[in-house]
Amino acid sequence: RKEVEQDPGPFNVPEGATVAFNCTYSNSASQSFFWYRQDCRKEPKLLMSVYSSGNEDGRFTAQLNRASQYISLLIRDSKLSDSATYLCVVNTNYGGSQGNLIFGKGTKLSVKP
Amino acid sequence: DGGITQSPKYLFRKEGQNVTLSCEQNLNHDAMYWYRQDPGQGLRLIYYSQIVNDFQKGDIAEGYSVSREKKESFPLTVTSAQKNPTAFYLCASTTFIDSGNTIYFGEGSWLTVV
Repeated sequence: RKEVEQDPGPFNVPEGATVAFNCTYSNSASQSFFWYRQDCRKEPKLLMSVYSSGNEDGRFTAQLNRASQYISLLIRDSKLSDSATYLCVVNTNYGGSQGNLIFGKGTKLSVKP
Repeated sequence: DGGITQSPKYLFRKEGQNVTLSCEQNLNHDAMYWYRQDPGQGLRLIYYSQIVNDFQKGDIAEGYSVSREKKESFPLTVTSAQKNPTAFYLCASTTFIDSGNTIYFGEGSWLTVV
């Protein structure tokens, strides 16, 4: 099983649709989780951290399921500007403060008019 | 503004040449990283450094070298030993004071071998 696994997509959805991505991770000791957004030919940018209790930021909701070892990202009322690749990032803290960041390969989302 | 600066943004290299990509951060972050991204692929870790004067190989270190003489700077040299260097290179940094260890990226450097 890969350390961090995402469905590569592409997910092609109409404007206004609700779309959800999952990301599974293999190391049960993983400590922190993030979703990043990467536009074509640009650097990844932090979209949101994922907390154990789940968290919401406007149209975006992130959830963590430690028992099944996956995180999810839900986008409601999708906009054309949401078209991007969404990267799942998992941080496994080995040896105290030193982190080990593992990136998924990303899920490509394309929102169509 | 605080951030990570990579330069140059675009670089062309002849085969057999070494090139150095610059990465500077003014975020006072402890750790710095270099990643490589090929078209349609995920990020692969080349080297990382948790502290000045120390660095560790990542998954694809062969053909690359780094130094960390200052906390703010983590340059990457792509040597002639790297057989397929054309890619998008991303520098990143993070602090371990943050409980979440959020990672921040520079804008990236595009390297093309001609």
